[in-house]
Amino acid sequence: AQSVTQLDSHVSVSEGTPVLLRCNYSSSYSPSLFWYVQHPNKGLQLLLKYTSAATLVKGINGFEAEFKKSETSFHLTKPSAHMSDAAEYFCVVSGGYTGKLIFGQGTTLQVKP
Amino acid sequence: NAGVTQTPKFQVLKTGQSMTLQCAQDMNHEYMSWYRQDPGMGLRLIHYSVGAGITDQGEVPNGYNVSRSTTEDFPLRLLSAAPSQTSVYFCASSLVQTLNTEAFFGQGTRLTVV
Repeated sequence: AQSVTQLDSHVSVSEGTPVLLRCNYSSSYSPSLFWYVQHPNKGLQLLLKYTSAATLVKGINGFEAEFKKSETSFHLTKPSAHMSDAAEYFCVVSGGYTGKLIFGQGTTLQVKP
Repeated sequence: NAGVTQTPKFQVLKTGQSMTLQCAQDMNHEYMSWYRQDPGMGLRLIHYSVGAGITDQGEVPNGYNVSRSTTEDFPLRLLSAAPSQTSVYFCASSLVQTLNTEAFFGQGTRLTVV
């Protein structure tokens, strides 16, 4: 069975400082992993996805994530936060060929001026 | 190209009422799904469909029905609304739900049951 845990429900950073949103996963086979972002009162937008081609994945808006199999982690990072990054972020694992996406609980990113 | 369109955006229902949340996509995607989003719980799968005429239950299907008569449309029906169904509902679609397929989401429907 697949599962995903986002280790922080809320992260607060100052504008211009690095962002780290943590995600651990559990999967019985090589997983596909995604990060989605949800801005207030909006739908979900794909930031990036890991599909086993490369362990360091670059996404939109300067975000990237590194797949670490030994640590079963897929943490999301950004070198310098912008005010526009304030949103909720979801780590997602694909539930195999059943077609189901399994969501973490979400991390709310607050960016302070 | 509109993507995934959900209607309505907001709805208030009284307990016991029924209603249908509409979802349409214009990307010719085979796979469509409905999720509900509740604070601190991420998104949970209600029902999904792998193609016209085929539907299946997700994690939290009770109180909801779906049908898939066309590739484009995947409505979600609340049979008898309950306060526990107060939530934000998202419809999603993807080309084929394989391991690494990206899902596209609608803007959501915020439902309040009083």
